[in-house]
Amino acid sequence: EAGVTQFPSHSVIEKGQTVTLRCDPISGHDNLYWYRRVMGKEIKFLLHFVKESKQDESGMPNNRFLAERTGGTYSTLKVQPAELEDSGVYFCASSQVVPRHLNYGYTFGSGTRLTVV
Amino acid sequence: DAKTTQPNSMESNEEEPVHLPCNHSTISGTDYIHWYRQLPSQGPEYVIHGLTSNVNNRMASLAIAEDRKSSTLILHRATLRDAAVYYCILRASGTYKYIFGTGTRLKVLA
Repeated sequence: EAGVTQFPSHSVIEKGQTVTLRCDPISGHDNLYWYRRVMGKEIKFLLHFVKESKQDESGMPNNRFLAERTGGTYSTLKVQPAELEDSGVYFCASSQVVPRHLNYGYTFGSGTRLTVV
Repeated sequence: DAKTTQPNSMESNEEEPVHLPCNHSTISGTDYIHWYRQLPSQGPEYVIHGLTSNVNNRMASLAIAEDRKSSTLILHRATLRDAAVYYCILRASGTYKYIFGTGTRLKVLA
């Protein structure tokens, strides 16, 4: 089974530009999550999709961040305009069932390292 | 959200057991204890989780204190491939968010 795929693996952009990160979850996984680790901080939850619906976006830092999951398959996370403090690693994860029924964990992707200069 | 406290780093010799401690004194009765690890240049990887009873799987064992205020992840025979940052995470029942702490960086010595 293919894992969670994220691309690009690295992205370097200038402050003020736009960047779009993509996540392909494991096929059949309805639940998709975005997390991120900015420099020197812990990994933080951003949001959770169930299929194409946003279940919780309480972790999204501000309105410069927009996540979508058209058709309930892959997801994109757009940062527009990017700021220096957005630099970090953005992780995507997926799971087949809702977490209260989890008897295993999520599967995380390898992340996208975003550098804003 | 309940927090976890872990040592910043630990070292172990190869082929020896490793006990990674975690304190979670503010845990509530319905919080699950999850362990993930992050290898270099990878995303977090699920290791094990439990609620009250000790748990075993092919990767590790999880020992949970009777009062649930602490737990220990046990790697029975550390290998060089086990060098990673290990995160102890609490997840409230019915929720889906993980609250990551700073984790323990495990170094395995050959």
